[in-house]
Amino acid sequence: DQQVKQNSPSLSVQEGRISILNCDYTNSMFDYFLWYKKYPAEGPTFLISISSIKDKNEDGRFTVFLNKSAKHLSLHIVPSQPGDSAVYFCAASDSGAGSYQLTFGKGTKLSVIP
Amino acid sequence: DVKVTQSSRYLVKRTGEKVFLECVQDMDHENMFWYRQDPGLGLRLIYFSYDVKMKEKGDIPEGYSVSREKKERFSLILESASTNQTSMYLCASSLPPLDTQYFGPGTRLTVL
Repeated sequence: DQQVKQNSPSLSVQEGRISILNCDYTNSMFDYFLWYKKYPAEGPTFLISISSIKDKNEDGRFTVFLNKSAKHLSLHIVPSQPGDSAVYFCAASDSGAGSYQLTFGKGTKLSVIP
Repeated sequence: DVKVTQSSRYLVKRTGEKVFLECVQDMDHENMFWYRQDPGLGLRLIYFSYDVKMKEKGDIPEGYSVSREKKERFSLILESASTNQTSMYLCASSLPPLDTQYFGPGTRLTVL
């Protein structure tokens, strides 16, 4: 059973517009959420995170929103740039469990069209 | 900056060979992880370690073993490589209490 789901395998957006990537989770014990960006033939790069005590975290062009009641988070990229074209992974952890593990979604491939 | 390095970017091995994948991190992180990434399957955890000489099985440990003799180094071993182990292998590390993991560049392993 998938505890972290990214239901859109791919997304295409025009350069300069907003990209919205979505992620749903089922485990109510998850309290820390992360987004990673991955280019082909490279390792994932940490992008942004959010703790469950917040509902929004912003870092430059990247904003993550968390809706705990809906068990849903989203990553907004504004404005989108061609260099943002990559696979984006959502991840979650139960920090109280002390297991140190992240549960990853299967990824969404973002294509930003110039 | 956290730096995680992996011994090879690309590796080609024959079925039945013993394969060693090495990972080194330079930030004194306690936790280290090995994943494999396959198209449509995302990142799947093979093994992880939260201390020297300690190891825990992840979701798909079959066919793999690990070794952690020093804090900075975590090795993944394929005792007898098979074609279904052709994949991208990713190493990561983290420092408690934060669960943010930092990844190496990956090793693309092909088993013929």
